[in-house]
Amino acid sequence: EADIYQTPRYLVIGTGKKITLECSQTMGHDKMYWYQQDPGMELHLIHYSYGVNSTEKGDLSSESTVSRIRTEHFPLTLESARPSHTSQYLCASSSSRSSSGGREQYFGPGTRLTVT
Amino acid sequence: QQQVKQSPQSLIVQKGGISIINCAYENTAFDYFPWYQQFPGKGPALLIAIRPDVSEKKEGRFTISFNKSAKQFSLHIMDSQPGDSATYFCAASRYAGGTSYGKLTFGQGTILTVHP
Repeated sequence: EADIYQTPRYLVIGTGKKITLECSQTMGHDKMYWYQQDPGMELHLIHYSYGVNSTEKGDLSSESTVSRIRTEHFPLTLESARPSHTSQYLCASSSSRSSSGGREQYFGPGTRLTVT
Repeated sequence: QQQVKQSPQSLIVQKGGISIINCAYENTAFDYFPWYQQFPGKGPALLIAIRPDVSEKKEGRFTISFNKSAKQFSLHIMDSQPGDSATYFCAASRYAGGTSYGKLTFGQGTILTVHP
């Protein structure tokens, strides 16, 4: 059972507000990821990190930013939320020491964000 | 080159039947092919994965069939049960080596409904 947590699970917020979505894992995984999941289901990678103080943007352009100050913590921040940011945000982690080289990703339950 | 195409978009199966979901890829550098299962309100969970050195992998009622020459792989769910009703995603990955992450490219997802 993977131990990866996301808070809040649901968030409804007004346009222009700053928000931070939290993601924590207790497995000591070195790699962490943020995905955006469309209502039509497809997952798009928006950020990833392969270790502390190392972050990169993913395939889908996003106005969000991330930080990785501690191994277990990978928060995502939106400085000014807009209705176009309404989506499901999924956090995942993996270990480069796994037999798959870090490709066996474990997902959190997600945060459903609605910006009004 | 990075795209993974998944079909069908939705699938309805009677209890006890066989569910088959197909995926096709273009990038011959892909060397890891996982399937994820996602229930409503949850994050995706790794179900089963295969590497291209084998043509089939079975875990319980779930089997991956892999056709390297056709660049296709499929998930077979034998004796489908109502509890299998979920969204299924295929994915593919190329090992990038070093500190680079092994990015997962996801298919578009298939909503499976198993009727009792």
